[in-house]
Amino acid sequence: ETGVTQSPTHLIKTRGQQVTLRCSSQSGHNTVSWYQQALGQGPQFIFQYYREEENGRGNFPPRFSGLQFPNYSSELNVNALELDDSALYLCASSLEQRNTEAFFGQGTRLTVV
Amino acid sequence: KQEVTQIPAALSVPEGENLVLNCSFTDSAIYNLQWFRQDPGKGLTSLLLIQSSQREQTSGRLNASLDKSSGRSTLYIAASQPGDSATYLCAVDGTGNQFYFGTGTSLTVIP
Repeated sequence: ETGVTQSPTHLIKTRGQQVTLRCSSQSGHNTVSWYQQALGQGPQFIFQYYREEENGRGNFPPRFSGLQFPNYSSELNVNALELDDSALYLCASSLEQRNTEAFFGQGTRLTVV
Repeated sequence: KQEVTQIPAALSVPEGENLVLNCSFTDSAIYNLQWFRQDPGKGLTSLLLIQSSQREQTSGRLNASLDKSSGRSTLYIAASQPGDSATYLCAVDGTGNQFYFGTGTSLTVIP
């Protein structure tokens, strides 16, 4: 089991609402990345935070935003939820921004109704 | 844009068999490649990391190889067990500070 923890594990929201997902990175890791995994698909990159700065972003709209705190934990915020946002959201932490092993949390299952 | 493909999409084998999972990628400019295991509805468990300068990595019954020039990696599982049943994902660490994932191979090992 990795030292990456995500909360909550499951969440149900109504279309149009806002949601915040949280991730605690593994001790000593300064980089956190967020991924969205739809059913039956591979994870898709949302964005990466390195030392509290956004350090890369995938093809997701601005209503997906994030934050990284001084202790390197992170939040993913999604505004104006849509039905298609229903997915497993995965957080990964790594020692550096690239070329190091990534460790994933157990994910947050978001259902938008 | 990096595209990662995994073949086969699903595989069912009797216990004890050796098996090979395949991963291909379109852009050879990668930093590393990582194999993950995912149980239904769960997060990803890292199995093996191969740096771009390496040819293979081994951990227990698992062996992963990398041929960067041809854009291919294989994951070899020896003496498969029912507990190996899961989805196996290949991810390439390329440009843009992100992993590019395949859609995975769903493995079922029959007792």
